[in-house]
Amino acid sequence: EAQVTQNPRYLITVTGKKLTVTCSQNMNHEYMSWYRQDPGLGLRQIYYSMNVEVTDKGDVPEGYKVSRKEKRNFPLILESPSPNQTSLYFCASGRGEQYFGPGTRLTVT
Amino acid sequence: GESVGLHLPTLSVQEGDNSIINCAYSNSASDYFIWYKQESGKGPQFIIDIRSNMDKRQGQRVTVLLNKTVKHLSLQIAATQPGDSAVYFCALPSGGYQKVTFGTGTKLQVIP
Repeated sequence: EAQVTQNPRYLITVTGKKLTVTCSQNMNHEYMSWYRQDPGLGLRQIYYSMNVEVTDKGDVPEGYKVSRKEKRNFPLILESPSPNQTSLYFCASGRGEQYFGPGTRLTVT
Repeated sequence: GESVGLHLPTLSVQEGDNSIINCAYSNSASDYFIWYKQESGKGPQFIIDIRSNMDKRQGQRVTVLLNKTVKHLSLQIAATQPGDSAVYFCALPSGGYQKVTFGTGTKLQVIP
């Protein structure tokens, strides 16, 4: 079954404590992307990756890092989370028609 | 950059009626458009897409219309069912389809 998985699904953390949200896809897609979803703002692209070791900024990259060391994995890293990064995060794979993960709800206090 | 807007926040329709969800865009160079459906607690799911060389594309109970002159596209859902209740987003890939701009979404409520 074609799938994008994310972990954790829910996370509550404190300001400044580094965290990583993992994303994995089993469709052999070269392209992967991260989005955040906030009420009234829709989905905004954080980072995307065209292939292994190739990443680029989306519209809201500040405060985030990514890496793409393997084709199937695209983790999102928050080195020093702040309350304004409280949001619902989605990983997606595929260029054009995208397949989305189930989302990670992050709360930073 | 691309801007996508003019969504109604909520659209309520009677079960069995047709639904029309609209989306406007600003970049006349946009050549590919996608509609996604997001059910509560889930990630967006692809519904249908259309390229700029087409005015209309039909799927199962859904039709997308593209008016490049006024930079507007719409999603029509025929015989709306309770399972169609969701938030619908238009999305515009750009930059070789690497960057994607989403609209703010329209919440469709189906009244039984």
